[in-house]
Amino acid sequence: GDSVTQMEGPVTLSEEAFLTINCTYTATGYPSLFWYVQYPGEGLQLLLKATKADDKGSNKGFEATYRKETTSFHLEKGSVQVSDSAVYFCALSVKTSYDKVIFGPGTSLSVIP
Amino acid sequence: GAGVSQTPSNKVTEKGKYVELRCDPISGHTALYWYRQSLGQGPEFLIYFQGTGAADDSGLPNDRFFAVRPEGSVSTLKIQRTERGDSAVYLCASSPTGGGMNTEAFFGQGTRLTVV
Repeated sequence: GDSVTQMEGPVTLSEEAFLTINCTYTATGYPSLFWYVQYPGEGLQLLLKATKADDKGSNKGFEATYRKETTSFHLEKGSVQVSDSAVYFCALSVKTSYDKVIFGPGTSLSVIP
Repeated sequence: GAGVSQTPSNKVTEKGKYVELRCDPISGHTALYWYRQSLGQGPEFLIYFQGTGAADDSGLPNDRFFAVRPEGSVSTLKIQRTERGDSAVYLCASSPTGGGMNTEAFFGQGTRLTVV
């Protein structure tokens, strides 16, 4: 079935370090791909998305490119901040009659000053 | 309010009891989703409503779980004869259409259910 795999955490980085969180997916057809973020004490928020192959989603300095050939959607940021500390979820939306979203297990990121 | 509201934010109940969790979606959103997030895991799909009807309830784990949305707005997730394994954060989300348009779903902060 459709599923998402992402790198295990927790990930701890120093401020201004480069971030990569790997994400790969399995899906029938061509899903849309998402990164959601959950800050401490807050609800899930959509961080960025890409709806077709080679699309790049970006927001708040984060980027991810939809790679159909490697079925990947890795999240990157060039210089992380303490405020980026959160849990990041890679997700896909299968192309059914509605937007059913399937989430990965999440990767916890801690950024230390 | 402007966002998805879930009440209560925390619920502790004894094993075997019945609980109801409430979700107030964003006004005008026709699509509503319930997810369950266990500790250290990503949210798992439970059920999807389009308007008043449950269009997909394939994620409900068993017949102790039931959800309604009688007027196409507020939804209630009902769990009978709760078990300790039901302990999780229950998330609600809504989106404008849900019609396969890949529109953004907005999540509430969840209800943390603890069964003791």
